[in-house]
Amino acid sequence: AQTVTQSQPEMSVQEAETVTLSCTYDTSENNYYLFWYKQPPSRQMILVIRQEAYKQQNATENRFSVNFQKAAKSFSLKISDSQLGDTAMYFCAFTNSGGGADGLTFGKGTHLIIQP
Amino acid sequence: GAVVSQHPSRVICKSGTSVKIECRSLDFQATTMFWYRQFPKQSLMLMATSNEGSKATYEQGVEKDKFLINHASLTLSTLTVTSAHPEDSSFYICSAGTSGLMETQYFGPGTRLLVL
Repeated sequence: AQTVTQSQPEMSVQEAETVTLSCTYDTSENNYYLFWYKQPPSRQMILVIRQEAYKQQNATENRFSVNFQKAAKSFSLKISDSQLGDTAMYFCAFTNSGGGADGLTFGKGTHLIIQP
Repeated sequence: GAVVSQHPSRVICKSGTSVKIECRSLDFQATTMFWYRQFPKQSLMLMATSNEGSKATYEQGVEKDKFLINHASLTLSTLTVTSAHPEDSSFYICSAGTSGLMETQYFGPGTRLLVL
């Protein structure tokens, strides 16, 4: 069974700073997909970024980027120029498929607080 | 982007009654729909996976007779919590999976269930 571990229950940084959230996972599969989801106080899950394991290039989405280390089974999220609206729970997630056919396995989450 | 709706957003019911939660993909046809459960301050746990016209696949430990899932069309899935008890109180979130090049999963806003 796949497992996802987020070792930082809570992080707090000042606005405009850069913050990195860590995630490690365990799987015996060679091809899989990794995600970061944001859950603000509204509890709506929002896809932040998606990475296919077969792609060596790290995914980026504006201020969000990942450091994907396949051999180390590590998938960290970097948020640059952090904004107050980035305050939320962040969940790392794993699936064998692209996400459309198989359910996601989530980590326990990191509560990110952006201080003004 | 793809939009998934859930109804109701919150429901309070008496112990022993049944509650139905609807999940709809509004602007796309979902190949697969998923139901997750999230307890307070915890992560999302996959309950079941459903495909249109097929029986749902339940995760280990999830009672299929208690959590009835019907996937009537490519845009609608329902979760019925039968004979609800206080321990069923939770936040239930559905998601809809898309296929194709950007195969991924889009989440509904969730339903807060409180069983008295």
